[in-house]
Amino acid sequence: IAGITQAPTSQILAAGRRMTLRCTQDMRHNAMYWYRQDLGLGLRLIHYSNTAGTTGKGEVPDGYSVSRANTDDFPLTLASAVPSQTSVYFCATREQDSYNSPLHFGNGTRLTVT
Amino acid sequence: KNQVEQSPQSLIILEGKNCTLQCNYTVSPFSNLRWYKQDTGRGPVSLTIMTFSENTKSNGRYTATLDADTKQSSLHITASQLSDSASYICVVVRGGGADGLTFGKGTHLIIQP
Repeated sequence: IAGITQAPTSQILAAGRRMTLRCTQDMRHNAMYWYRQDLGLGLRLIHYSNTAGTTGKGEVPDGYSVSRANTDDFPLTLASAVPSQTSVYFCATREQDSYNSPLHFGNGTRLTVT
Repeated sequence: KNQVEQSPQSLIILEGKNCTLQCNYTVSPFSNLRWYKQDTGRGPVSLTIMTFSENTKSNGRYTATLDADTKQSSLHITASQLSDSASYICVVVRGGGADGLTFGKGTHLIIQP
């Protein structure tokens, strides 16, 4: 069982280019999340989806968009990348039935915008 | 404002020694608190969860405590091993239907041989 697969593992991107980070899960969890992790700032929520067909904005949504066409996939798109979007991006899932359920994280995508 | 503060920011100890990481929070209403371990280059993994009624919970060499009155939690690591080198992140879940998560910035722990 793979759990959560993120792709690519790392990427160097020129400013102004469009980029989609992929996230696929095989746990059939309802809720999915995108976080960015920056040194000294910790994990910050970009967008989330409580169930297929719905999405919501997190703490730092500007410059990012998401879609949730099905349960398993939750891609994150940067329409026009800027250097401040250099970060490590983590996709996470969670069973939505209980506040006590943990987040399950992928291993991240390291993105550098030049 | 809902906040989670962790201390120390970083810690270096010798293999075999014990250490304690701290987490103070102002999140309200409180639902639960979870500690995550994040190895370098990997995503965080849940170590333990503390609910309002729990004071102490152990997971192998890891023991978490919670004082809901003072809004403090600690993670104690006993007989540290090189594999304990990681960042440890405290996450507090807000109750009352909001289901919001507030993350601490983590403690970076280095175990030296």
